Amino acid sequence: GAVVSQHPSRVICKSGTSVKIECRSLDFQATTMFWYRQFPKQSLMLMATSNEGSKATYEQGVEKDKFLINHASLTLSTLTVTSAHPEDSSFYICSARDPRLDYNEQFFGPGTRLTVL
Amino acid sequence: GQNIDQPTEMTATEGAIVQINCTYQTSGFNGLFWYQQHAGEAPTFLSYNVLDGLEEKGRFSSFLSRSKGYSYLLLKELQMKDSASYLCAAGDSNYQLIWGAGTKLIIKP
Repeated sequence: GAVVSQHPSRVICKSGTSVKIECRSLDFQATTMFWYRQFPKQSLMLMATSNEGSKATYEQGVEKDKFLINHASLTLSTLTVTSAHPEDSSFYICSARDPRLDYNEQFFGPGTRLTVL
Repeated sequence: GQNIDQPTEMTATEGAIVQINCTYQTSGFNGLFWYQQHAGEAPTFLSYNVLDGLEEKGRFSSFLSRSKGYSYLLLKELQMKDSASYLCAAGDSNYQLIWGAGTKLIIKP
């Protein structure tokens, strides 16, 4: 199956700083990637859909100026949490669709645990 | 609107069988997925149904009825390692996955 990597796996930062999370599709070209956030004991919450070469589509209630998404190549999407605050501490997970498949399976990265002090 | 419903939590005994139900409503339909998620980890793919009927894969089986907007995940010979959340997701016509809130499965010895 398709492989998606995510880096870093864990990050601790100070309040007010920015953090960049990378999501890479390793053995396929992903025209569409998705960014999710998950708080403890809660389900996945889709934050945005990232399309290569165009602006990301953000879900209602997600601040696009705070969560910057860049999908500059077919194998890399980045999520930057700007001016992070303790309430941004969460598990961030990316996923990608393989356009060679005719169904919607999403392949998930291992996730990034962000802790903002 | 688009909606996925599944039970919040279920408890079963090691060695037994458990069925996790999911009902869905989507704009268009492009298949029904089940994912497993252990605490602190990303979801992993379990099964995909696009046609009516039962798909069997080892101890896990998944069923779909498109006319009823209904699916279930059947886990047999439960093991302690099966304790996890099970996420139901339906694909819509825009290749988005509409996610359920997940069912936390607790396995007791």
